[in-house]
Amino acid sequence: DTEVTQTPKHLVMGMTNKKSLKCEQHMGHRAMYWYKQKAKKPPELMFVYSYEKLSINESVPSRFSPECPNSSLLNLHLHALQPEDSALYLCASSQDGAAGLYEQYFGPGTRLTVT
Amino acid sequence: GDSVTQMEGPVTLSEEAFLTINCTYTATGYPSLFWYVQYPGEGLQLLLKATKADDKGSNKGFEATYRKETTSFHLEKGSVQVSDSAVYFCALSLENDMRFGAGTRLTVKP
Repeated sequence: DTEVTQTPKHLVMGMTNKKSLKCEQHMGHRAMYWYKQKAKKPPELMFVYSYEKLSINESVPSRFSPECPNSSLLNLHLHALQPEDSALYLCASSQDGAAGLYEQYFGPGTRLTVT
Repeated sequence: GDSVTQMEGPVTLSEEAFLTINCTYTATGYPSLFWYVQYPGEGLQLLLKATKADDKGSNKGFEATYRKETTSFHLEKGSVQVSDSAVYFCALSLENDMRFGAGTRLTVKP
């Protein structure tokens, strides 16, 4: 099983809402990632969890809050977002992030629209 | 800093034509190199990878060779199909950090 699942597939939220994106993998991977992808652009790294600890936070605004409850799950909590945060949010996992040798497996993404 | 430069396209080819998408990289260490493909409305799928110089990655008729002397990882396919229409991303990975090129949109016409 090489699948990374993400829910929901689509999300529309107002600027005062609080919502969460969820990601799950059952490949035994120990590194998990959140990316943001705007239209016609490459994915931009937001956060990296390695062995359930946050190891990279790419200067992301605090209105995005990641959480890794266990090695299979990754959440992204959203609060007080802006319209410019509308994008495709991609989750990925890899066997081990440290060496950079391992490919990342991506989920299908959550299409987020902030109104 | 570490980066990837790839031809931006768009690239439009007829079915059965030969495909080349150029990719060059800049890195301070010895990165692993990847090609990912993204179909409309989907996430990224790994197409192929190479982890050291002179390695050749291949999958589904696509090939790319890790060339350290030219810092390149060009993607090739001998005969493209309509189903190959997608956006292709070249990427490098060092430690936990994966850097993507801008992406190349490929359209294959029947």
